[in-house]
Amino acid sequence: DTGVSQNPRHKITKRGQNVTFRCDPISEHNRLYWYRQTLGQGPEFLTYFQNEAQLEKSRLLSDRFSAERPKGSFSTLEIQRTEQGDSAMYLCASSLGPRGSPLHFGNGTRLTVT
Amino acid sequence: QKEVEQNSGPLSVPEGAIASLNCTYSDRGSQSFFWYRQYSGKSPELIMSIYSNGDKEDGRFTAQLNKASQYVSLLIRDSQPSDSATYLCAVNINSNYQLIWGAGTKLIIKP
Repeated sequence: DTGVSQNPRHKITKRGQNVTFRCDPISEHNRLYWYRQTLGQGPEFLTYFQNEAQLEKSRLLSDRFSAERPKGSFSTLEIQRTEQGDSAMYLCASSLGPRGSPLHFGNGTRLTVT
Repeated sequence: QKEVEQNSGPLSVPEGAIASLNCTYSDRGSQSFFWYRQYSGKSPELIMSIYSNGDKEDGRFTAQLNKASQYVSLLIRDSQPSDSATYLCAVNINSNYQLIWGAGTKLIIKP
């Protein structure tokens, strides 16, 4: 399977704990995106990488969130000191080509903070 | 504030009929338009992309774009129960790589 891969699929954690998610994009895709989605809403942009450079980060993203893409391949999203409001589906997507190219999503990581 | 608006539904359509989904957007600079299908608990899946005014057909799906009126629509012909899902409209403006998303329309195909 050469699609976008995300791990883990599900994560349950207690409030205050740190969590880290991993995304492996489609191998030839140079752009990688993280989105968050809650029930009944469309995906909410978190951050975007072109190769290893983090080019955009949502102003809605608190300092507890950090993302890396160290070698321009896989990416990690870390949430420190989780809060119940962080419970959501975290989606990773990748794309290739000019601005406006479609995104290809992974299966997501569902986070539940208790 | 750049916005994408969709009727949340649910939109209920009999099996075999045409389902029509609509989306309006606020930014006249929008250049790329996408329809994604999302089943409950799953991630969005690309259905159609459209970049210029007019119709674009792919199998049972037709996307329609009218930039003057700032709307994009998706028609699903011969609707099947497996088409029951939430359909998300996403728009890319020319200034960055972000997509602006609507909240989605829930479609129910009744057998």
